[in-house]
Amino acid sequence: DIVMTQSPDSLAVSLGERATINCKSSQSVLYTSDNKNNLAWYQQKPGQPPKLLIYWASTRESGVPDRFSGSGSGTDFTLTISSLQAEDVAVYYCQQAYSTPVTFGQGTRLEIK
Amino acid sequence: EVQLVESGGGLVKPGGSLRLSCVASGFSFSNAWMSWVRQGPGKGLEWVGRVIAKAHGGAIDYAAPVKGRFTISRDDSRDTVYLQMNSLKNEDTAVYYCGAGTGTSDFDHWGQGTLVTVSS
Repeated sequence: DIVMTQSPDSLAVSLGERATINCKSSQSVLYTSDNKNNLAWYQQKPGQPPKLLIYWASTRESGVPDRFSGSGSGTDFTLTISSLQAEDVAVYYCQQAYSTPVTFGQGTRLEIK
Repeated sequence: EVQLVESGGGLVKPGGSLRLSCVASGFSFSNAWMSWVRQGPGKGLEWVGRVIAKAHGGAIDYAAPVKGRFTISRDDSRDTVYLQMNSLKNEDTAVYYCGAGTGTSDFDHWGQGTLVTVSS
């Protein structure tokens, strides 16, 4: 099984500042045939289902603000929020579907400092 | 508008059974890869299993903790995916979400979830 490990577990950032969440997979999730990483990021606010933010490691889902960006390849990935807004308070998860079982990171709780 | 509506959750005793349903609308269900994910109280997301589109082979995969107890099926004529849960255990208590993958990720869309509580 591919283990997804996020860091940190929780993060407090001031409004307008940058937030960075890391995700490391125990094996590469890169398809060498087309150079795509099967890695997605989700945002979950309290009492709500998760919401897709980023897929293929760096492609923003339609409607997601451009302050959210994803980067990385192979086994190391990053979700960056360039200027934190109050509505970004949530738990963020990375997830791989390169192989089954599909696995999620443990989540990173993002709060306002 | 894409919608996924789960139903069938509730309170069940250990060893009991439940069947969850997820009705989809607003996208081509027959081409979607449909998954179930659960979230225990105060916990993270846990993948339960997935059924891929028949056009892609229709394979079904399960997470180890539920394999042999849970069964995923789909009815493309009803735009519905099911999760039959047997031999339920206390640790199966969770909100169960269905998710649809329509081309970009396994979970482009999520339902609101249905709560399953296993308790005597």
